Amino acid sequence: NAGVTQTPKFQVLKTGQSMTLQCAQDMNHEYMSWYRQDPGMGLRLIHYSVGAGITDQGEVPNGYNVSRSTTEDFPLRLLSAAPSQTSVYFCASSYHRVGSTGELFFGEGSRLTVL
Amino acid sequence: DAKTTQPPSMDCAEGRAANLPCNHSTISGNEYVYWYRQIHSQGPQYIIHGLKNNETNEMASLIITEDRKSSTLILPHATLRDTAVYYCIVRPTPGGTSYGKLTFGQGTILTVHP
Repeated sequence: NAGVTQTPKFQVLKTGQSMTLQCAQDMNHEYMSWYRQDPGMGLRLIHYSVGAGITDQGEVPNGYNVSRSTTEDFPLRLLSAAPSQTSVYFCASSYHRVGSTGELFFGEGSRLTVL
Repeated sequence: DAKTTQPPSMDCAEGRAANLPCNHSTISGNEYVYWYRQIHSQGPQYIIHGLKNNETNEMASLIITEDRKSSTLILPHATLRDTAVYYCIVRPTPGGTSYGKLTFGQGTILTVHP
């Protein structure tokens, strides 16, 4: 099982550039989410989705877009990168169905530096 | 805002039990308590969860107070590899309508020393 796969693992951008962080899961999870983690800090929720075609904002959504066209994929788009978006980004997924444990599975993270 | 509060750091001697507290005084009746840990810069890893009864698995035990306003994660025989950041979070029952906005706090940095 691949679990939750994030690409790329490392990325360096210049201010103003755009890019997409990819997240894919092969567990047929309904729920997917993106977090960012700044050095020495906890996880902050950016966006989440409870199923294909459904997305919603988390704690820190500004500067990021998401879409959920399939159950498996949940890409995170940075529209115009800023140095404040330098962070480690984690994608997580879980079941959203009645009777499931709700356990979150995390990817290995994508380390983004914006110069 | 995170719905839980945890001490920022704790120490534990190797081989001893590590008891990590968490306060969740505003927990709702349909919310579970989950514990995760993050080693170095890896993605967080699920440890255990519970609703109102105490739970035990191969990794840890979870003790939830009768009023459900706090809980304690117990690592019975801590090892150096248990040094990590431990997060306590609350989450509604899967499948419900208020399921998605899952926030983490700062967590507790547990240091296990020889």
